[in-house]
Amino acid sequence: EAGVVQSPRYKIIEKKQPVAFWCNPISGHNTLYWYRQNLGQGPELLIRYENEEAVDDSQLPKDRFSAERLKGVDSTLKIQPAELGDSAVYLCASGTNYEQYFGPGTRLTVT
Amino acid sequence: DQQVKQNSPSLSVQEGRISILNCDYTNSMFDYFLWYKKYPAEGPTFLISISSIKDKNEDGRFTVFLNKSAKHLSLHIVPSQPGDSAVYFCAATGTNKLVFGAGTILRVKS
Repeated sequence: EAGVVQSPRYKIIEKKQPVAFWCNPISGHNTLYWYRQNLGQGPELLIRYENEEAVDDSQLPKDRFSAERLKGVDSTLKIQPAELGDSAVYLCASGTNYEQYFGPGTRLTVT
Repeated sequence: DQQVKQNSPSLSVQEGRISILNCDYTNSMFDYFLWYKKYPAEGPTFLISISSIKDKNEDGRFTVFLNKSAKHLSLHIVPSQPGDSAVYFCAATGTNKLVFGAGTILRVKS
């Protein structure tokens, strides 16, 4: 069974540019999570989806970040415009609160 | 406000010896605790978990101990192997959200 798939794996952009990350969760998993992991820190939840509904987006900086999961399967996280402080690894996970499976992440570098 | 703390940024252990990784938490509402292991350029992978109704859970070389009164848990790896070298994250949940610690880098020397 395929795991959580994320693309791209690496992205380098200049500040003020837009960027998007894509995630395909494990088949059958209704719950999808986006996390941000800063250097030397643990993952921090940005948004949680139950099917296509965002049920917890309290930590998502809504002025520049947006996310969607239109058909309740794959999801896209967007940043526009990117800032230097957005450099981090963006992780997608699916599963339940007691058993989450993570993708390999997208390492974003904003210059 | 860090609700889950891993106060040791790194730990170095000789192969075959015991590795003990520690984690403290502050939120009394947490009722389930997990350990994840992360290799470079990979996402975290689930290692072992424990419910707050237990004080110990064992899976092969890995044992997690929970001390609720001290709000402390630890992960024991016996015997440690070079392939165990990774970053270990402690995580806790009490609602629909996992809260992670900052991680401890474990290096197992052969």
